Amino acid sequence: GQQVMQIPQYQHVQEGEDFTTYCNSSTTLSNIQWYKQRPGGHPVFLIQLVKSGEVKKQKRLTFQFGEAKKNSSLHITATQTTDVGTYFCAGSRLDSGYSTLTFGKGTMLLVSP
Amino acid sequence: IAGITQAPTSQILAAGRRMTLRCTQDMRHNAMYWYRQDLGLGLRLIHYSNTAGTTGKGEVPDGYSVSRANTDDFPLTLASAVPSQTSVYFCASSPTHGAAEYFGPGTRLLVL
Repeated sequence: GQQVMQIPQYQHVQEGEDFTTYCNSSTTLSNIQWYKQRPGGHPVFLIQLVKSGEVKKQKRLTFQFGEAKKNSSLHITATQTTDVGTYFCAGSRLDSGYSTLTFGKGTMLLVSP
Repeated sequence: IAGITQAPTSQILAAGRRMTLRCTQDMRHNAMYWYRQDLGLGLRLIHYSNTAGTTGKGEVPDGYSVSRANTDDFPLTLASAVPSQTSVYFCASSPTHGAAEYFGPGTRLLVL
């Protein structure tokens, strides 16, 4: 079945440092989504990438979708303590006429002030 | 607008008991999902429904059943709970399958 691998599992940075998490799929994706989950909370949708090579920005967050539509990255510039949480990617694949999402296991980000 | 609500918020359940987790959305989304989240294993899909009246099995369906009698409700039933079903359960919905998913606040279940 489809697998979505995410690295690193965990990263601890000082406030102001940059952070990147990577997502790799074993199969070509129709789109990829990113979610953030704060400690004790529920996953919250951040963004969806659809096009090969697509790059989208949300303030300090930059999302990329690979040319082959099998990998993606989330980069946070100058982290803040409010960025703490676990970031999940989720790949969507067209399968037998409908799409299913497969989530990566997430990258937990800890930001020290 | 509430979005997605789940009940109960948390529950301690004796092994062997039957339990239904409730999920209701008011966004008129066609698709709904049930996930379980366990430390180190991420979010795993239990069951899904692409539209009212249809359901499908996800990655970890054994021991769980669902129904989708209408657009708004998607209950998850554990017929006979076992300790390995201790987890945090999230319900989610999306306008259509494959689109962005909106998650409920979760139900924390402990099976003893």
